[in-house]
Amino acid sequence: DVKVTQSSRYLVKRTGEKVFLECVQDMDHENMFWYRQDPGLGLRLIYFSYDVKMKEKGDIPEGYSVSREKKERFSLILESASTNQTSMYLCASSLPRGGGGGYTFGSGTRLTVV
Amino acid sequence: AQRVTQPEKLLSVFKGAPVELKCNYSYSGSPELFWYVQYSRQRLQLLLRHISRESIKGFTADLNKGETSFHLKKPFAQEEDSAMYYCALYGGATNKLIFGTGTLLAVQP
Repeated sequence: DVKVTQSSRYLVKRTGEKVFLECVQDMDHENMFWYRQDPGLGLRLIYFSYDVKMKEKGDIPEGYSVSREKKERFSLILESASTNQTSMYLCASSLPRGGGGGYTFGSGTRLTVV
Repeated sequence: AQRVTQPEKLLSVFKGAPVELKCNYSYSGSPELFWYVQYSRQRLQLLLRHISRESIKGFTADLNKGETSFHLKKPFAQEEDSAMYYCALYGGATNKLIFGTGTLLAVQP
């Protein structure tokens, strides 16, 4: 029944490493999103994509990039991980126009940068 | 600017007590508002949307355009309602959901 899958539940990486977070959805959704979730700050949008090879910056894109080569896969890349990127990362997908607000979320990847 | 405000980080109530999770929004157009919930160790999921005017798990939320609010209510809290609740605004112009900072609901036995 899993529809949005994030490849790792927990990750520990060293400062300066290049980190890839993978997200795959099987609902043929056009839109995909990457959020980070921090206590007291809620969900903040990092990047989103409306279509293959298309991407748009969210509210906090600094230090991140994304890749969407196939409709079902949306990757978040930390070019050089830093300790302030320690967080829970959530991937989501939806139909066009937000799908009426019906985002489907993955289980999240808890990333720790040491 | 589009914004969602949830003023309470934590709301603690006893089982059987009424619950009201507050949400206020700022949006110049006609808003679409939602409540999402995240139970412990589970993924974030849609609870309800204002356009459906539905009751899910005993929760309701009414959009009040005059007060720009979309508070989530339940008359009698249950322990299984304990979770993190996020209010979200869909901004058509931006084509994305904007989330509030969330309120942790703790229902005590």
